[in-house]
Amino acid sequence: EAGVVQSPRYKIIEKKQPVAFWCNPISGHNTLYWYLQNLGQGPELLIRYENEEAVDDSQLPKDRFSAERLKGVDSTLKIQPAELGDSAVYLCASSLGTTSYEQYFGPGTRLTVT
Amino acid sequence: AQSVAQPEDQVNVAEGNPLTVKCTYSVSGNPYLFWYVQYPNRGLQFLLKYITGDNLVKGSYGFEAEFNKSQTSFHLKKPSALVSDSALYFCAVRPPHGSSNTGKLIFGQGTTLQVKP
Repeated sequence: EAGVVQSPRYKIIEKKQPVAFWCNPISGHNTLYWYLQNLGQGPELLIRYENEEAVDDSQLPKDRFSAERLKGVDSTLKIQPAELGDSAVYLCASSLGTTSYEQYFGPGTRLTVT
Repeated sequence: AQSVAQPEDQVNVAEGNPLTVKCTYSVSGNPYLFWYVQYPNRGLQFLLKYITGDNLVKGSYGFEAEFNKSQTSFHLKKPSALVSDSALYFCAVRPPHGSSNTGKLIFGQGTTLQVKP
């Protein structure tokens, strides 16, 4: 079974530029999560999708961050414009649903904003 | 506030010795508890979980964890450490169904485990 796929693995951009991250969850997983992981810290949830619906985006900085999950499968997380403080690892995870307990994580995208 | 604490930034242990990585949580009700491991430049890998039942749960790679409700703890243990166990370990809690934030994992800050030959 293929795991959660994320691309790109690494991204370096200048501040004020836009950037997008892509995630393909495990086949059949209805729930998709985007987490932010700062250096030396645990992941923090940005947004959670149940199929196409964003059911928890309370931690997503909506002035510059946006996300979508078209057709309830792949998802894209966008930052526009990026700031220096956005440098972090962006993790995508998926699970079978809200009643399933394990979340399976992708390898992450390491973003560096210069 | 819902939170998870891992009081040790780093744990050092000699290969072959038992290891313990500590975790305490602050969540009302009966939460679901998890341990994940992260190797350099890789995503988090699920190790084990406690949902209900026996307080001692067994997981991948010989790891186990003990749930203690009175102490609100969920310490990770392994009887005999391997050098290959060296990694970053995260404890996480998921608030129970019916509570706010039930769909999200709340992570601790992580503990680096260093196993020396």
